[in-house]
Amino acid sequence: NAGVTQTPKFRVLKTGQSMTLLCAQDMNHEYMYWYRQDPGMGLRLIHYSVGEGTTAKGEVPDGYNVSRLKKQNFLLGLESAAPSQTSVYFCASSYKGSGNTIYFGEGSWLTVV
Amino acid sequence: GENVEQHPSTLSVQEGDSAVIKCTYSDSASNYFPWYKQELGKRPQLIIDIRSNVGEKKDQRIAVTLNKTAKHFSLHITETQPEDSAVYFCAAITGYSSASKIIFGSGTRLSIRP
Repeated sequence: NAGVTQTPKFRVLKTGQSMTLLCAQDMNHEYMYWYRQDPGMGLRLIHYSVGEGTTAKGEVPDGYNVSRLKKQNFLLGLESAAPSQTSVYFCASSYKGSGNTIYFGEGSWLTVV
Repeated sequence: GENVEQHPSTLSVQEGDSAVIKCTYSDSASNYFPWYKQELGKRPQLIIDIRSNVGEKKDQRIAVTLNKTAKHFSLHITETQPEDSAVYFCAAITGYSSASKIIFGSGTRLSIRP
């Protein structure tokens, strides 16, 4: 049982490049989330999904797209990376929503130059 | 919109003393309040949580209190140890029928002085 795993862990992008962060969970969780963490800003929700085939916008969705084609995977895409997207990205999952423990992945450090 | 305010942003206490971190939330419908600990370079991990129908919960050296009327909740760590040094995040969660809204505080960096 690996929990929540993210790939890649580190990446450097040039402005305008695209990339996809992959999140996988093996706990059969319905809900999955993508957060970004910036110094002094805490964790901000980018997008989330309440089940396979569904996605919804969070607090800071602009510049990102997501897909949940399979229940266990939640992909975060950056179509045209910008320096403002330099951050640590955390994927998370939970069995359902409110009242259920949210489990985080180890984080992906992204630098856009 | 809804938000969660967390104070202080940094806290330094002597080893063995107690530490208290406070959060205030704005959404009166919030019904679940977890606390996460994040060590340097690692993922946030749940350390304790409380639901809206409970006023206090303890787990060894950590405890959480909730005041629904005032819409604030606090994390209490007693007999602090060096391994308690980390960033702590509170969160307020509001449940709906098919989705939930999770708002995190901005974090408190706790340092334990030897």
